[in-house]
Amino acid sequence: EAGVAQSPRYKIIEKRQSVAFWCNPISGHATLYWYQQILGQGPKLLIQFQNNGVVDDSQLPKDRFSAERLKGVDSTLKIQPAKLEDSAVYLCASSLTTRGSAGGANVLTFGAGSRLTVL
Amino acid sequence: KQEVTQIPAALSVPEGENLVLNCSFTDSAIYNLQWFRQDPGKGLTSLLLIQSSQREQTSGRLNASLDKSSGRSTLYIAASQPGDSATYLCAVKRFGNEKLTFGTGTRLTIIP
Repeated sequence: EAGVAQSPRYKIIEKRQSVAFWCNPISGHATLYWYQQILGQGPKLLIQFQNNGVVDDSQLPKDRFSAERLKGVDSTLKIQPAKLEDSAVYLCASSLTTRGSAGGANVLTFGAGSRLTVL
Repeated sequence: KQEVTQIPAALSVPEGENLVLNCSFTDSAIYNLQWFRQDPGKGLTSLLLIQSSQREQTSGRLNASLDKSSGRSTLYIAASQPGDSATYLCAVKRFGNEKLTFGTGTRLTIIP
């Protein structure tokens, strides 16, 4: 089974520029997550999709971050304009869990991540 | 608000030793707890998942325990090997909420 694909792996930009990250989840996985992992910290959930609908975006800085999941498959995460504190690894994950299943095992499969450096 | 803590932040042990990694959480109303491994430049790999009704799970040389009442979990690694060197993260999931709350991780180095 192919894993979760993410691109680009690395991106360096200057503050106030924009950047976009792409994620292709495992085929058939209904749930897709974007996490932000700042150096030395655990991952923090930014947004969760169930198919192409948003389940949780409570920790997404909506003034500069946006995300979409077209046709319930691929997803893009955009930052505009970027700030220094946005330097982090952006992890995409997917799972089979469907909403209303009381959570189930909910084993997430993570991609390798996209490392962003904002100068 | 759930807070997850992992101490120590870093640990170095000689090859062959048994070791224990610790995870504590503030809200005991959890649905499950997972242990992940993260290698440099790579994503997270799920190692073990313990449901709230369980007390432990085992996979090979790994054993994870859960004590909900005290808000603690441990990951026991037997006969450590250099290939076990990585950062280990625990994450908890609440009832009715699909979000995982992660700890800050323990960076483990096994010395050959």
